[in-house]
Amino acid sequence: GENVGLHLPTLSVQEGDNSIINCAYSNSASDYFIWYKQESGKGPQFIIDIRSNMDKRQGQRVTVLLNKTVKHLSLQIAATQPGDSAVYFCAEDPQGSGNTGKLIFGQGTTLQVKP
Amino acid sequence: DTGVSQDPRHKITKRGQNVTFRCDPISEHNRLYWYRQTLGQGPEFLTYFQNEAQLEKSRLLSDRFSAERPKGSFSTLEIQRTEQGDSAMYLCASSRQMNTEAFFGQGTRLTVV
Repeated sequence: GENVGLHLPTLSVQEGDNSIINCAYSNSASDYFIWYKQESGKGPQFIIDIRSNMDKRQGQRVTVLLNKTVKHLSLQIAATQPGDSAVYFCAEDPQGSGNTGKLIFGQGTTLQVKP
Repeated sequence: DTGVSQDPRHKITKRGQNVTFRCDPISEHNRLYWYRQTLGQGPEFLTYFQNEAQLEKSRLLSDRFSAERPKGSFSTLEIQRTEQGDSAMYLCASSRQMNTEAFFGQGTRLTVV
């Protein structure tokens, strides 16, 4: 069955350090992945996405890495700031078309940034 | 504010009552999705629309749940005969037809007492 999950429920980092949040998925047919950030009481906020024809994509202070061989996804946040404190979810499109909008979310990793 | 708007933000209802939530997507977005999120979990897909057509429903969407998008713009999600297990955050998201970057609203938090 489909399973998208994160390795660690909580990650604590020092302000200014880099953060790495990991995600494992089980559906080999998935070809589209998204990272979302969710602050308390708010809806998920899109951070960055990646398709399976890529293994790396960079945004502003964030990088997503995709390893299809081991079905692993990671989100790297450079120079972590207090405002980055939130729950981070990876999500996959299980239909493999990247065009359905039906996303399967993992359970989330809570990122805590220590000042 | 041109983002996805949901109303109400919070709803407390007694078990057995019916509730209806509204979602106004980003205006040029053709696709609209409903998700449910319980505490500590990621959002779970419920259903989605392309324009006014409801294209897919999750098995999580029991017969007590119904969603509509009559004119291809706003959508409503109704839950009949609410149960305590329906207590959750109900999230709406929208996206352009060929772009799966979905933008979420702030959600409606339902508490069934």
